[in-house]
Amino acid sequence: QQQVKQSPQSLIVQKGGISIINCAYENTAFDYFPWYQQFPGKGPALLIAIRPDVSEKKEGRFTISFNKSAKQFSLHIMDSQPGDSATYFCAASTEETSGSRLTFGEGTQLTVNP
Amino acid sequence: NAGVMQNPRHLVRRRGQEARLRCSPMKGHSHVYWYRQLPEEGLKFMVYLQKENIIDESGMPKERFSAEFPKEGPSILRIQQVVRGDSAAYFCASRLTGMNTEAFFGQGTRLTVV
Repeated sequence: QQQVKQSPQSLIVQKGGISIINCAYENTAFDYFPWYQQFPGKGPALLIAIRPDVSEKKEGRFTISFNKSAKQFSLHIMDSQPGDSATYFCAASTEETSGSRLTFGEGTQLTVNP
Repeated sequence: NAGVMQNPRHLVRRRGQEARLRCSPMKGHSHVYWYRQLPEEGLKFMVYLQKENIIDESGMPKERFSAEFPKEGPSILRIQQVVRGDSAAYFCASRLTGMNTEAFFGQGTRLTVV
């Protein structure tokens, strides 16, 4: 019940294209859904996050879409750039029962070709 | 304000030795989390600590692993009698008190057991 499932495992996109990464969760107690970006040899860095009271959040080229009834959320990267090439992790947490510890998806390795 | 500092960045240990990983949280952060990342996998929660207290150690193996966050000084993750399967990247994250406040990650310690 604590799992977060992420797809695809890897994604190749042309420069200027849209990258879409999907995640699904089971635990309805989750109330915070962040996306992290990780470059090789570095720690994950928060990209954007959403709470279940909204269905969409946009920050620059990055948008999270959230579907509470389906227990799914996705990251859209518009106008993808080679500098976006990294591994992306979705995550979920709840303060109430687990002290905001993060449950991560398996990760998506994004490659944006020039 | 320095970020989350982890040291060492790389650690090589022979089977049977002890590994000691250190994490200094961001200034003012009283919540510390340790995660383990195996190659090509997502991050898995290990332990959640506040000053002088282990809040949740449900993700940490019962044997050989221990963690502490003393009143003074960094948080320490200790692995005794390391085995090859302990080879991984270990990340520390810290956050402020509050509902689902952002978790900031360190650069990780890459442990290699030979």
